[in-house]
Formats: sequence, structure tokens, C-alpha cells
Amino acid sequence: AQSVTQLDSQVPVFEEAPVELRCNYSSSVSVYLFWYVQYPNQGLQLLLKYLSGSTLVESINGFEAEFNKSQTSFHLRKPSVHISDTAEYFCAVGTENQGGKLIFGQGTELSVKP
Amino acid sequence: DAGVTQSPTHLIKTRGQHVTLRCSPISGHKSVSWYQQVLGQGPQFIFQYYEKEERGRGNFPDRFSARQFPNYSSELNVNALLLGDSALYLCASSLTGTEQYFGPGTRLTVT
Repeated sequence: AQSVTQLDSQVPVFEEAPVELRCNYSSSVSVYLFWYVQYPNQGLQLLLKYLSGSTLVESINGFEAEFNKSQTSFHLRKPSVHISDTAEYFCAVGTENQGGKLIFGQGTELSVKP
Repeated sequence: DAGVTQSPTHLIKTRGQHVTLRCSPISGHKSVSWYQQVLGQGPQFIFQYYEKEERGRGNFPDRFSARQFPNYSSELNVNALLLGDSALYLCASSLTGTEQYFGPGTRLTVT
């Protein structure tokens, strides 16, 4: 069975500072990895995905994540955050043999302060 | 193109009642998944349908059921509602079943 651990439930950071949101997963088979962002009272938006190929993936709004198979991690980073990045971030894992099931972490609340 | 749409946005039900939630996927997507998100937690997988066939089922009681229609829209049904069923119900659409795009959700409150 797969599992996902997001190591920080809350991450407060000042505007323009760098941030890293940590995600570790457990799986005995090859995985797909995702980061989703959820703004208050909204659904989830796909931020980044790792399906195969390059282990470093980037989003259009400056976030990046690196798939590290040896450390079973998929940490999310941004070199300079904005107030508008304040949201809940979820890491999720899926596998080919799980019938489309995504397993989510508990979420990390990113709070960007001016 | 329109994204995933869900209806209703909110609803309030009483314990023991039945509820039906609806989802329309992104045009061209043949897979729909349902998730339950309890306040303060990550979403939990309930079902996935692909080409109108159930492809996966999470650890939820038989009170939860779903189906997918020929136009790929989907319904989630919950019978005999419990207070613990209060949650945000999310529908996700996918072309292949792997990369999933979520709708805005339906907020269900059971009193």
C-alpha cells in the first residue's frame, strides 16, 4: 500500500522569502506524484506533476518539485513567495495498478506574511 | 473549455436522509473520480469510473454508491446519512485516469 507524509502542517514565511514544503511517500511500486493547491472554500488545482522522465518539474507560477527516488521524496520549492501563494498544499501519489486512486497527504498550510 | 462542474454547491441534509451529488467532467475526459475531504484533512478516495465501468473503490461503506452515464457525467449517492458524512465532496476528471483535475466541490452538511 502507498502512503504520503507531509512533514509540516503549517509553514509561515515572509513575502519574497524562499519556501520548501516537504513530502515523503511510501510505495513498493513505481509512482506518479502530484502537488495540488487549495484556496479557501475551493476545489484542488493541479500545481505540478511527475509522471516519468525529468525528475525536476516546474509550474508556470515559479514553483518546482524534484522527484528523489532514493529518498522517496517530492518536495515543493519556490525561491520567492507572494502573498497570493497563501493556501493549503497537498502532495498526492498514484500508481498504475491502483484503479486511479490518488492518496493524499494531510496538507501543509502555507501562510505568507507581508 | 469549461472545467469540471459539480452541483449543488452546498446542501444541508438530516441524518438518515439520502443525497445525490452530480459531476460533469472536462469535455473529452472519460474518467471521473470521487473524493471526500473532511475539514482539516486531505481528500480520501471513494470511487473511480472509466468508460462507465467502476475502476476503483476506496474504503467506504456500501451506503456510498456511484455511476457514470453515457455522456461521462457521474452521480455519487449516499444513503442513510450520518453526521460523519459532513464533508466537501470533490469530483475529479481525467483523460486516462492518472492526471486528475478537480471541480469546486459540493459542501454537504448533515444535521
